[in-house]
Amino acid sequence: GAGVSQSPSNKVTEKGKDVELRCDPISGHTALYWYRQSLGQGLEFLIYFQGNSAPDKSGLPSDRFSAERTGGSVSTLTIQRTQQEDSAVYLCASSPRIGASGAKNIQYFGAGTRLSVL
Amino acid sequence: DAKTTQPNSMESNEEEPVHLPCNHSTISGTDYIHWYRQLPSQGPEYVIHGLTSNVNNRMASLAIAEDRKSSTLILHRATLRDAAVYYCILTYSGGGADGLTFGKGTHLIIQP
Repeated sequence: GAGVSQSPSNKVTEKGKDVELRCDPISGHTALYWYRQSLGQGLEFLIYFQGNSAPDKSGLPSDRFSAERTGGSVSTLTIQRTQQEDSAVYLCASSPRIGASGAKNIQYFGAGTRLSVL
Repeated sequence: DAKTTQPNSMESNEEEPVHLPCNHSTISGTDYIHWYRQLPSQGPEYVIHGLTSNVNNRMASLAIAEDRKSSTLILHRATLRDAAVYYCILTYSGGGADGLTFGKGTHLIIQP
């Protein structure tokens, strides 16, 4: 079946502009996650959704970052007034079910959106 | 959170077995051990996970020490396609949907 799909695959924007990054999770997956990977750095967890709800937003780097999920499916990560330090690969992942045993927390990742802020 | 320690890099030859170590001395009884890998220009990919017993799947084997303070990911016959960064991650089994905490991982280099 189809995996996690992210769009666009690449985004170049000017400093100060707003950007929206989209994630289509695997159909039926309850949980959805956003991560950021800066050049040469590890992956940084940003936020997760359980259904349409994001219980903990403390991982978002600043108040310029926001995320939403609608219909328990598609999610959008929005960065307002982009800065050069926002340049990174933004990765989305989904997992089948919250609280499942055994295969709990196996996450399936998309290929990411490479954001470049000039 | 319990942390993991991995070597920064390892090198192996094609078609030979590879043993990737991971130390997790502060692991709790409810933590699962997960391995992911990230190929160049791709998102991470799940490899294998376990709790106490050794595990095998089509991609690899996971050997877990009896005291659970360390584990080893075993690629039985490495190919050039296995060149990637391998991450050893602990996940809490008690519920919730916490994000994964990725360290720096081990950069595996495969020589032809």
